Amino acid sequence: GAGVSQSPRYKVAKRGQDVALRCDPISGHVSLFWYQQALGQGPEFLTYFQNEAQLDKSGLPSDRFFAERPEGSVSTLKIQRTQQEDSAVYLCASSDRGPNYGYTFGSGTRLTVV
Amino acid sequence: QKEVEQNSGPLSVPEGAIASLNCTYSDRGSQSFFWYRQYSGKSPELIMFIYSNGDKEDGRFTAQLNKASQYVSLLIRDSQPSDSATYLCAVKGGTGGFKTIFGAGTRLFVKA
Repeated sequence: GAGVSQSPRYKVAKRGQDVALRCDPISGHVSLFWYQQALGQGPEFLTYFQNEAQLDKSGLPSDRFFAERPEGSVSTLKIQRTQQEDSAVYLCASSDRGPNYGYTFGSGTRLTVV
Repeated sequence: QKEVEQNSGPLSVPEGAIASLNCTYSDRGSQSFFWYRQYSGKSPELIMFIYSNGDKEDGRFTAQLNKASQYVSLLIRDSQPSDSATYLCAVKGGTGGFKTIFGAGTRLFVKA
């Protein structure tokens, strides 16, 4: 597609529920990133994929967070047993040139845990 | 100390003026520096990136980097009301790893 596509756009989850957030990067983009952005803050790094390989997952806040990109294109961020502190906008970004050149963000998924 | 620090603002400038946005970073080995613009309710959009000391110009935007002072700035000439947004400074470390660290952003208001 023309841009990075994320779905759903909004997600309301009850505390303890599992959620799955989808990212469809720009076609051909090798690098894919997930970020979490709380209200009034800058995006915080979660994880990085180069093709299907997850090369950096140092930003995932707990073992409740899991990301995959099995075929090197679409990626899914899964959050198990959601907590209120997980409420944030989850941003996916992709790049054809790697982390040193900046990237294109998707519109994000706003997750609200009630 | 935060890894990337920005004044939260708001910074208010009149239309046509130069807006100056500043950022400091803590990792002296950082290699790549970015400015993103984020409109309210939207996702960040890359404006510019800079790697070398000095100035880099792109249209009305100029990025300035001083690695010795660990300082990055963005100048917006002939500011327009449409430039009103939050500007995020971001830094890619040079010590391995793949993360880019973002500041919390500076809110800019351009008054017509």
